[in-house]
Amino acid sequence: NAGVTQTPKFQVLKTGQSMTLQCAQDMNHEYMSWYRQDPGMGLRLIHYSVGAGITDQGEVPNGYNVSRSTTEDFPLRLLSAAPSQTSVYFCASSSRPGLPSPQHFGDGTRLSIL
Amino acid sequence: KNEVEQSPQNLTAQEGEFITINCSYSVGISALHWLQQHPGGGIVSLFMLSSGKKKHGRLIATINIQEKHSSLHITASHPRDSAVYICAVSPLDQGAQKLVFGQGTRLTINP
Repeated sequence: NAGVTQTPKFQVLKTGQSMTLQCAQDMNHEYMSWYRQDPGMGLRLIHYSVGAGITDQGEVPNGYNVSRSTTEDFPLRLLSAAPSQTSVYFCASSSRPGLPSPQHFGDGTRLSIL
Repeated sequence: KNEVEQSPQNLTAQEGEFITINCSYSVGISALHWLQQHPGGGIVSLFMLSSGKKKHGRLIATINIQEKHSSLHITASHPRDSAVYICAVSPLDQGAQKLVFGQGTRLTINP
């Protein structure tokens, strides 16, 4: 099983550029989420989805868009990159939206905005 | 004040020592998670617990719901245990999957 796969692993962008961070899982999990991890701060929730066609905002959604057209994929879009979005991004999935369950994380995408 | 506080923030120990990392939280929860992150690496779920104690190999996690406190113990520590350990909770007033994270404890085990 591949689990949760994130691409790319590293990316450097210029301010104002757009890009999409990809996340795919092969475990048929309903719940998927995106977090950012910054030095000195805990992981913070950007957006999440409880199933195909359903997304919602987390703690720090500004500057990011998501969509969930399939159960497997949950891409994160930066529309106009800003230096404040330099961070490590993690995608996660879990199996039971209504009940606590272990979360499976991808390996992360390290993003630098110049 | 953060909803989830971990202590210590950094811990250095010698191989073989017994390690304890603490997590305190301020809200009602449906579950508490312990996660492990190796340097430059991904994040792995170690435990999810809502009561009592769980054990996996040399790792033990306990939780006291009344005191809003959890501990992660590592017995016979080894250099490969060097990592950041993260505590996260599922607050009762949010979806079961929405986690609030502590800032992590950086553990270094010297040979």
